[in-house]
Amino acid sequence: QQPVQSPQAVILREGEDAVINCSSSKALYSVHWYRQKHGEAPVFLMILLKGGEQKGHDKISASFNEKKQQSSLYLTASQLSYSGTYFCGTESGYGVIYNQGGKLIFGQGTELSVKP
Amino acid sequence: GAGVSQSPSNKVTEKGKDVELRCDPISGHTALYWYRQSLGQGLEFLIYFQGNSAPDKSGLPSDRFSAERTGGSVSTLTIQRTQQEDSAVYLCASSHPSKNRGYNYGYTFGSGTRLTVV
Repeated sequence: QQPVQSPQAVILREGEDAVINCSSSKALYSVHWYRQKHGEAPVFLMILLKGGEQKGHDKISASFNEKKQQSSLYLTASQLSYSGTYFCGTESGYGVIYNQGGKLIFGQGTELSVKP
Repeated sequence: GAGVSQSPSNKVTEKGKDVELRCDPISGHTALYWYRQSLGQGLEFLIYFQGNSAPDKSGLPSDRFSAERTGGSVSTLTIQRTQQEDSAVYLCASSHPSKNRGYNYGYTFGSGTRLTVV
């Protein structure tokens, strides 16, 4: 089942903060976050593994709560370059069985627009 | 190569014709994935390769779609008897699995092939 992202879209002014949520009905092993700018390929931001890791990437960080089957992406002090569509991708444990990693199922995306 | 290479970048074909889309992953990446993205939509999983074998083909929409991977490298996605609903951007990604814990590192996507069926 496809994870559900919220909100679907958000408009920010430069310097404002945003949170994007990703929720799954299935138990999760890992969560990836990607950003896609218009007309370009998605670009990997970070991966979070089962175990409650929190990662950071400059002013972008994320958390993963496997009990709630949820992940959140935090963008602080947003910059114009943060504009794009953010996708979470979830992996549900194929790799645990086969020790080789499995496919990601992506959410429907959250469109983020940062205005000057 | 330095990145994931896909060809052609654009393909316009007539309904009913067959098309082949090619993906050349990053050297050393054993995992290769095909996704489809329709205009303004999310990423729809099609098929996944680990080496030359495809453990998961569950996303292929119909038996008109097939894919193969040879030499643990280049992959070809073939769509037979194309239909208008096949029009989309087809994205290929590659990654490599961690040595432990059974997960893959982040995907590197190619720029995609934009397929238009007229």
